[in-house]
Amino acid sequence: DAKTTQPTSMDCAEGRAANLPCNHSTISGNEYVYWYRQIHSQGPQYIIHGLKNNETNEMASLIITEDRKSSTLILPHATLRDTAVYYCIVRGGTASKLTFGTGTRLQVTL
Amino acid sequence: NAGVTQTPKFRVLKTGQSMTLLCAQDMNHEYMYWYRQDPGMGLRLIHYSVGEGTTAKGEVPDGYNVSRLKKQNFLLGLESAAPSQTSVYFCASSYNRGLQPQHFGDGTRLSIL
Repeated sequence: DAKTTQPTSMDCAEGRAANLPCNHSTISGNEYVYWYRQIHSQGPQYIIHGLKNNETNEMASLIITEDRKSSTLILPHATLRDTAVYYCIVRGGTASKLTFGTGTRLQVTL
Repeated sequence: NAGVTQTPKFRVLKTGQSMTLLCAQDMNHEYMYWYRQDPGMGLRLIHYSVGEGTTAKGEVPDGYNVSRLKKQNFLLGLESAAPSQTSVYFCASSYNRGLQPQHFGDGTRLSIL
């Protein structure tokens, strides 16, 4: 699986959009980009995934660049409950495991 | 809908003791996984199972054994606990090995003295 690079931490004001970047310059053609988050003391929670088209669900939007070497997770209206560590993971369709890096610690403030 | 349930939530063991962690899922998922998470690190895969009666090694399998006798349950065993196995253990399940996301339990916090 391709390696990902994320900022260590980010801050966001409540009610504003949180844009979390991820670099995955070695991604291969059959690998998808997944985002999970882990709220303190809880298990990781799936957010969204995509291949090359932008994706949106009830939690977030995923924007993948045309060359697929980077992506951005967007939380449109961040709340205090979105404070968590966010993991960007690149995974092939036949891979068994998720390779978690150290992620981005997002702090949402009043 | 319980999802993935892990038992126990907390446990303290002495070095050399044995124990079994239980993971149960009610989503009829084929795949199940055991991860460990150490402070400041991401999750690392210990063992996984692609179906009832099957198991396979992950990244860090040494010192652990697993069994999948029933589709809904995945057991992680420590035969002789060591302080290096102090960690938070997470179980996950997914519909298959493809693109389906993994669903995680809330973890078992294990301390070995």
